Amino acid sequence: DAMVIQNPRYQVTQFGKPVTLSCSQTLNHNVMYWYQQKSSQAPKLLFHYYDKDFNNEADTPDNFQSRRPNTSFCFLDIRSPGLGDAAMYLCATSRDRVGVEQYFGPGTRLTVT
Amino acid sequence: RKEVEQDPGPFNVPEGATVAFNCTYSNSASQSFFWYRQDCRKEPKLLMSVYSSGNEDGRFTAQLNRASQYISLLIRDSKLSDSATYLCVVNTGTYKYIFGTGTRLKVLA
Repeated sequence: DAMVIQNPRYQVTQFGKPVTLSCSQTLNHNVMYWYQQKSSQAPKLLFHYYDKDFNNEADTPDNFQSRRPNTSFCFLDIRSPGLGDAAMYLCATSRDRVGVEQYFGPGTRLTVT
Repeated sequence: RKEVEQDPGPFNVPEGATVAFNCTYSNSASQSFFWYRQDCRKEPKLLMSVYSSGNEDGRFTAQLNRASQYISLLIRDSKLSDSATYLCVVNTGTYKYIFGTGTRLKVLA
């Protein structure tokens, strides 16, 4: 049974054309994270929600925004994708923000043309 | 110095071999430790948490050495299906999960 679901699995967008990636979870976890992972690199945290509290990483570009309308869903909006934004975007959840495991969705692979 | 360091490998081992990976971390206040497995172009999947007393799950054994600031993963009787990248993850504080860049394992027939 899928616990963290991401849609779409593959997304192709044009340079500068806004795109939205979605994540949903059936775990009822308080925390949801968005990571960006490029080839052969570690996942890089973009931001996270603790319940409804949004927490942005200092080095996350303004081009990246997020929404969490309810416990189950979280969205990543890329307002004007550049070629450098092509990557795998991973959504993760955890029950709390410290001391517990994170569970990842299957990811959305974004291509920018 | 990186906060979490792993030998990138690849470790090429024959089926049935025992292989061990280490991961060092720099923040002595780190609280929780995890091993994840990541297959090519897939998401990280939790393999096991690492407890102070060490823990074992089937062929996999994880150890934590706080004094030397490293964790280890031992895989016994390697299977072809164990071929993957193994990510070390260190929880250094509230929501701070620091990932290593991973160690690639190839199990050869």
